[in-house]
Amino acid sequence: AQKVTQAQTEISVVEKEDVTLDCVYETRDTTYYLFWYKQPPSGELVFLIRRNSFDEQNEISGRYSWNFQKSTSSFNFTITASQVVDSAVYFCALSEEGAQKLVFGQGTRLTINP
Amino acid sequence: KAGVTQTPRYLIKTRGQQVTLSCSPISGHRSVSWYQQTPGQGLQFLFEYFSETQRNKGNFPGRFSGRQFSNSRSEMNVSTLELGDSALYLCASSPPVGVRGQQFFGPGTRLTVL
Repeated sequence: AQKVTQAQTEISVVEKEDVTLDCVYETRDTTYYLFWYKQPPSGELVFLIRRNSFDEQNEISGRYSWNFQKSTSSFNFTITASQVVDSAVYFCALSEEGAQKLVFGQGTRLTINP
Repeated sequence: KAGVTQTPRYLIKTRGQQVTLSCSPISGHRSVSWYQQTPGQGLQFLFEYFSETQRNKGNFPGRFSGRQFSNSRSEMNVSTLELGDSALYLCASSPPVGVRGQQFFGPGTRLTVL
């Protein structure tokens, strides 16, 4: 069975600090996809990034970066120089090959204080 | 291109009633998935429809059902509502080709059962 664990329920930092959100996953599939979504107070899930199981390259997009390590089954997300607008709930998710079904972690509520 | 739309945005029902929620996917998307989000259980997959056929189903009781029309619009129905059905119901659509597994979410329907 697939499972995603986000051990950090809530994180609160001061603006401009760096913050890392942890994600650990479990799957028996050799081909799978990992995602990060952001959910602002409005409720809509906003796609941030997708990684497939064969691509362990880290990625940087502006202030966001992702570290995918198959050896530890982790897909961590770092926000550099955080801003108040980054405040939201962040979800890590996993899907198997060929299935349009996302298994989500419990989410991490991130609060950036001015 | 218009995003995923869901109607209604808010709904209040009483126990025992039934409810129908609607989702219009992004134009050209043929796969529609439904998720339930509650504070206790988090985000859970309900079912997925593709070309008017249910392709995948989560672990929910038979009171939860859905369907998809020839124009890819989808509805989900919950019969004999229970207090625990109060949740944010999210719909997502997926493109036929391109980024495998990626889903685009609508704003959700917030259902309150009294």
